[in-house]
Amino acid sequence: AQSVAQPEDQVNVAEGNPLTVKCTYSVSGNPYLFWYVQYPNRGLQFLLKYITGDNLVKGSYGFEAEFNKSQTSFHLKKPSALVSDSALYFCAVIRAGAGSYQLTFGKGTKLSVIP
Amino acid sequence: DAEITQSPRHKITETGRQVTLACHQTWNHNNMFWYRQDLGHGLRLIHYSYGVQDTNKGEVSDGYSVSRSNTEDLPLTLESAASSQTSVYFCASSDTLNSPLHFGNGTRLTVT
Repeated sequence: AQSVAQPEDQVNVAEGNPLTVKCTYSVSGNPYLFWYVQYPNRGLQFLLKYITGDNLVKGSYGFEAEFNKSQTSFHLKKPSALVSDSALYFCAVIRAGAGSYQLTFGKGTKLSVIP
Repeated sequence: DAEITQSPRHKITETGRQVTLACHQTWNHNNMFWYRQDLGHGLRLIHYSYGVQDTNKGEVSDGYSVSRSNTEDLPLTLESAASSQTSVYFCASSDTLNSPLHFGNGTRLTVT
């Protein structure tokens, strides 16, 4: 079984400040981890992924995420938040080598960047 | 540019009616998925397909069916719509296991 927890339903941050959106996962074996963003009335858009290799992953729009195997976490970060970053963010996991494409999503975190 | 389109964007139907939601992708991906999005639940997988004539049940498949007659399309059918199926439905496709999903813009379905 695999699961994802996003412990914060909402994160508020001032424009220009660093932001963090938290994600922890549970999977038997090695994980493939993803972050997606959803703007109002749109589908999800891919931000970044961790498959293997460097624990710090860089993605679209200046976002990055750090894979921490010991803490089973994959937190999303950005050094300086923009108002346009306000959206719903989803973390997702799948077990590497699962032979199945059943990605498990977290419940989402609403990010509000305050001008 | 390749894309994935869903239709209709909005649908209102009555309890007990059969409803089909369309999904069409031009990525030429073998893997296609249907999710529903509900407040407090995130995205939950309904059905998925790894290729033509292949379909599989996901986490919340009861009351739904899909068919895959070609690479481009994976229509989702609600056999007898129920109020519990009021939701936003997203179709997605992908290339390989560790490739990102490409999502459509969703269909908002209301069952009255």
